[in-house]
This record gives sequence, structure tokens and C-alpha cells, in this order.
Amino acid sequence: KQEVTQIPAALSVPEGENLVLNCSFTDSAIYNLQWFRQDPGKGLTSLLLIQSSQREQTSGRLNASLDKSSGRSTLYIAASQPGDSATYLCQHAGNNRKLIWGLGTSLAVNP
Amino acid sequence: DADVTQTPRNRITKTGKRIMLECSQTKGHDRMYWYRQDPGLGLRLIYYSFDVKDINKGEISDGYSVSRQAQAKFSLSLESAIPNQTALYFCATSEGTSNYGYTFGSGTRLTVV
Repeated sequence: KQEVTQIPAALSVPEGENLVLNCSFTDSAIYNLQWFRQDPGKGLTSLLLIQSSQREQTSGRLNASLDKSSGRSTLYIAASQPGDSATYLCQHAGNNRKLIWGLGTSLAVNP
Repeated sequence: DADVTQTPRNRITKTGKRIMLECSQTKGHDRMYWYRQDPGLGLRLIYYSFDVKDINKGEISDGYSVSRQAQAKFSLSLESAIPNQTALYFCATSEGTSNYGYTFGSGTRLTVV
């Protein structure tokens, strides 16, 4: 069974820290990988999508990387802010277009 | 107005009742999805539809049915609700033949008592 694993499950950091969220996947036949943010009781918002041919994508303070050979993606958040507090999920799209979701990392940024 | 609108936002219903959750979108996307989210289990796909005439079961379709009334509307029904269907339900859409432009609704919190 193909899986997507996110570590850590929860993370608490002081404001201003740079941090890295990890997503590992077992299916190397990847079409793309997408990072989402979910605020409590709300839907998910797409943050970054990395195509299999790309190594990274950046949006503001966010940078997502993709290493197909090791089956890993990371989401780097620079200079974290309390407003970054949310759950971050990764979504793996295989070449068969099947979507697999991680369980998410719950991030708390403390003022 | 939101791109993907779910109604109701919250619902409490009794065991055995039939309930319908509705989803409408203004994105013009062909693909629509219904998920449920449970603590510790993450997002699980219930049904998905690639267009009005193409509806597919997801990983946990038992106890659920769907109807794609139009490109913009995709409803989820629980024929006879049971307590373990208590969850947060999400509708989502995406573009064309891929997961581009994945857009979620705000969710419906359903409680079955």
C-alpha cells in the first residue's frame, strides 16, 4: 500500500524561528506533490505544488522541495509568525493520478 | 462568494435519518470530490466525479451515495445515518485531468446521535 508520512505530527516553536516540515512517500512514480494549509474547523488551502520535474517551489516565506530519489518533500517556513499556526498537509499525486494524503503536521507558533 | 460552497455548515441528526450534504462550485472545474476527515485518520475519499456522467467510489463509499446534478453541483447523501459517520465532511474541486487548482469548501460538521 502506497503511503504518505508526515513528521513531526505536531510542532511548537517560538515566533521568528525558521522551521522544516517533512513529508515522505513510498510511491516514487510521482506526478506532483502539493502542500496545503488547514485552519481549525476549516477547509484546506493549497500553498505550493511541485511538479515531478521540479526541485522546488517558493511563495513568500514558504519554500517546498522535492527529492524523488529519496521519496521526500520538505516545506520550509522562514521567520515563522503566529499566523502560520495551522495544520499542514501534503498530497502525493501518482502517475496514475491517484491522490494520497498525509495526516498532517500541526504547527503552533508562539508569540 | 466562496468558490466552493458547502451547506449546511453544521448538522446534528439522529441515527437512521437520511441526510444530504450539498456542494456547489463557481470554479468551472470538471472534477469534484467528497472527503471525510477524522482525527488520526486524516482525509479519506468517499466519492469523486470527473464529470456529470462519471462518478466513482473512493476508499470509504459504503453507507454513502452521491449525485452530480450539474457540473457545478455534487451532493452527498447518507441514506441511514449512523454514529460512526460523525465527522467533518469536505467537498473539493480540481481542474481538468489533474489535481491542479485543488479547492476545498469550508466543510460540514456532521454529528449523528
